Amino acid sequence: DVKVTQSSRYLVKRTGEKVFLECVQDMDHENMFWYRQDPGLGLRLIYFSYDVKMKEKGDIPEGYSVSREKKERFSLILESASTNQTSMYLCASSFGRENVLTFGAGSRLTVL
Amino acid sequence: LAKTTQPISMDSYEGQEVNITCSHNNIATNDYITWYQQFPSQGPRFIIQGYKTKVTNEVASLFIPADRKSSTLSLPRVSLSDTAVYYCLVGDEVTGRRALTFGSGTRLQVQP
Repeated sequence: DVKVTQSSRYLVKRTGEKVFLECVQDMDHENMFWYRQDPGLGLRLIYFSYDVKMKEKGDIPEGYSVSREKKERFSLILESASTNQTSMYLCASSFGRENVLTFGAGSRLTVL
Repeated sequence: LAKTTQPISMDSYEGQEVNITCSHNNIATNDYITWYQQFPSQGPRFIIQGYKTKVTNEVASLFIPADRKSSTLSLPRVSLSDTAVYYCLVGDEVTGRRALTFGSGTRLQVQP
């Protein structure tokens, strides 16, 4: 089975801190995605990547950046965390042009 | 404009068949329709995928009419453990790249 591993299950950070959320997949998938999920708002796409060193903005990229230096790793960066970025963050990966995403367990971030 | 539209919530009883319909009026010719299930504090997991007509697996059936502008996920004889949020997913072209953007999902509550 494809495994998507998110480095931290729970994080608590302070306003203004730089936050790194790491995601690693072990099945050589080209495509990787970062979503955030908030009550009543479903899953919203932040950034996605179809290749190493390539990134595309999703629906809500403001306040975030990403890095994909290696195929298996896709990092989400909050340069200066704010309280409105308190959320559940979900990483996913997929192969080719399929819509079959494999998700990680999620990282619940609280910004105080 | 929303890429997919689903009912916000549905209620059912154990043993009943549940049908959840998703509208995707702007689906691309070569795009598949994929459904996911999500339990609280977990990432979504793949249930079923189809392109046209009917697809069935051990968990669910997926019905897609000829115009492909909608799809219906059918869960036979639901149990309490089927209480979850269900999402349909189709691709979305963003600057020539395919983003995978979820709708708000349907919260299914199964009662005894």
